[in-house]
Amino acid sequence: GAVVSQHPSWVICKSGTSVKIECRSLDFQATTMFWYRQFPKQSLMLMATSNEGSKATYEQGVEKDKFLINHASLTLSTLTVTSAHPEDSSFYICSASLAELNYNEQFFGPGTRLTVL
Amino acid sequence: GQNIDQPTEMTATEGAIVQINCTYQTSGFNGLFWYQQHAGEAPTFLSYNVLDGLEEKGRFSSFLSRSKGYSYLLLKELQMKDSASYLCAVMDSNYQLIWGAGTKLIIKP
Repeated sequence: GAVVSQHPSWVICKSGTSVKIECRSLDFQATTMFWYRQFPKQSLMLMATSNEGSKATYEQGVEKDKFLINHASLTLSTLTVTSAHPEDSSFYICSASLAELNYNEQFFGPGTRLTVL
Repeated sequence: GQNIDQPTEMTATEGAIVQINCTYQTSGFNGLFWYQQHAGEAPTFLSYNVLDGLEEKGRFSSFLSRSKGYSYLLLKELQMKDSASYLCAVMDSNYQLIWGAGTKLIIKP
């Protein structure tokens, strides 16, 4: 099956620093990648959708200048949390969809747990 | 607005059967997904329904009624490892996934 990796798995950083999270589709080319955030005991919240070579589409309420998304290739998307604050601590999950599948199934990465001190 | 409803938590006994319901109201419909998510991990795909009826896959089955805006996930022969959250998600007319809050399933010996 389609495999998506994320790096790092977890990160602890000081308030005010920036953190970059990588999302890679390992054995397929992803037409679209998605970034989600999940707070404890809550469901997934879509942050943004990105297509290779174009600007990401952000969901309402998500600051695009704070959460920078770069989708440089069909296998790599990065999310940079700039000037992180404790309220940004969350579980960040990326997913990638494969256009060849009729139903645009999303394959999820293992997630990155961010803790901002 | 768009809305996905599923119970917050359910408890069942090992070896038994449990049915997790999901009702939805979305702008358009391009299929309904069920995902399993263990604590601290990302969701994993369980099933996809786009036509009415029952889809069976081993111990797990998923049912869809588009006219009623209703789906259920049926888990048979429950095992302790089935303790997880089960997420219902609907793909709307823009091919965007709308997520339910998830149902936490607790399996007791």
